[in-house]
Amino acid sequence: EAQVTQNPRYLITVTGKKLTVTCSQNMNHEYMSWYRQDPGLGLRQIYYSMNVEATDKGDVPEGYKVSRKEKRNFPLILESPSPNQTSLYFCASRFRAATGFGYTFGSGTRLTVV
Amino acid sequence: AQKVTQAQTEISVVEKEDVTLDCVYETRDTTYYLFWYKQPPSGELVFLIRRNSFDEQNEISGRYSWNFQKSTSSFNFTITASQVVDSAVYFCALSEAGGSSNTGKLIFGQGTTLQVKP
Repeated sequence: EAQVTQNPRYLITVTGKKLTVTCSQNMNHEYMSWYRQDPGLGLRQIYYSMNVEATDKGDVPEGYKVSRKEKRNFPLILESPSPNQTSLYFCASRFRAATGFGYTFGSGTRLTVV
Repeated sequence: AQKVTQAQTEISVVEKEDVTLDCVYETRDTTYYLFWYKQPPSGELVFLIRRNSFDEQNEISGRYSWNFQKSTSSFNFTITASQVVDSAVYFCALSEAGGSSNTGKLIFGQGTTLQVKP
C-alpha cells in the first residue's frame, strides 16, 4: 500500500531532550516536507526536500533540523525541544498526477514538550 | 504573497442541514492547485479534492460539492444533508505549480471546525 509512515504517533518528552520523528514513504517520491499544526494557524511548513541531499527551510524552521540521506526517509530532529514546539506534526510527500501535483500525508505525530 | 482565508472558524448545524464552507485565496501565479482536506477527531488529514487553476468545472461527489470561481478567488465546499460523521475540521489549501521559486509548499487556511448535531 502506498503510504507515508510517521513514528511515533504520540510522544511526551521533557525540555532539552533530543528527539527524532521519523518519516518514510514507499512511493519513490522525490519531494518531501514537514508541517506543524497549531490551533488557529492551520498547518505551516517547517522544512522541505526536493530530493536526496537537497533540503531547505520552510516558514517555521527555528528549532528543527532535517536530513535526506536516502529518498524514502526524511526525519525531523529536535535537538533541544522546548514547550513552544508542542504541536501536531505531519510529514508529506508530493507526487505528479495527470492534472498536477498531489500530496500524501502521514498520520501525524502529536508531540508534547513539558 | 500567497494566502488562504477560511473566515468561518466554527460552524454548527443540525443533521440533514446543508452547509457551505468558504475558502478565499490569494496568489499571483497563473497556474496553481487548490485542495480540501478533512481532519476527523482522530487527527489524520483526509484528502477530499484537488482542483487546478485551469479547471473551473464544479464537482460533485456524493453529498459533497465544490464551487470554484476564479473571478472571486473562491473555492467553496458544500455538504448536502450533513451527517454526524461529517463533524471534523476542514482545511482549504493552495499550492503553486512550479518554476524556480517553487518550494512545493501547501498554504493552508486556518481551518473550519464543523459540528453536526444529531
